[in-house]
Amino acid sequence: EADIYQTPRYLVIGTGKKITLECSQTMGHDKMYWYQQDPGMELHLIHYSYGVNSTEKGDLSSESTVSRIRTEHFPLTLESARPSHTSQYLCASTGLPGNTEAFFGQGTRLTVV
Amino acid sequence: AQTVTQSQPEMSVQEAETVTLSCTYDTSENNYYLFWYKQPPSRQMILVIRQEAYKQQNATENRFSVNFQKAAKSFSLKISDSQLGDTAMYFCAFMKPYFGNEKLTFGTGTRLTIIP
Repeated sequence: EADIYQTPRYLVIGTGKKITLECSQTMGHDKMYWYQQDPGMELHLIHYSYGVNSTEKGDLSSESTVSRIRTEHFPLTLESARPSHTSQYLCASTGLPGNTEAFFGQGTRLTVV
Repeated sequence: AQTVTQSQPEMSVQEAETVTLSCTYDTSENNYYLFWYKQPPSRQMILVIRQEAYKQQNATENRFSVNFQKAAKSFSLKISDSQLGDTAMYFCAFMKPYFGNEKLTFGTGTRLTIIP
């Protein structure tokens, strides 16, 4: 079982609220990723990090921001949630170079009302 | 940029039968990795099988095997003796394994249902 955790699992929040989705891994992985996935649909990379103080935007434009102050922690923040942000957010990590398996958290299903 | 295409949005098969999921991809790279990931309902995404492009031999993991056709840029997944627990979304994915650029690109997924 993968040691990567996301909280909360489900979140319903009002428009305009600030939210932070948490992602932590205990595997010592340098690389971490955030994907956005609508139900039953493909995954879109929105942010990634190759290590502490390294963050990049992904292929899908997102109004969210991320930080990587510690290796194990990669939170995603929305300053002002909108209904268009309603989606599932998946966090993932990969290990050493050459170890290509990605480990995923259980996801956070966000609903903005 | 790499693209991954899964042309079968949904499939269903009787328990114990064999099913093949299709995946094609587009890249100009010569060295890369291909993956099949499984996402069961309300559960974590997990790796099913992995193929290195420089290996000609098709990868196999128990009941799961791939048919990797590099020239055709095709990467299909065969599930033999299908079980109810195989019901899930299956995603084909591509990765360029260069240090500092290991991003996974996913296909749109195939929803597989195993019928009892």
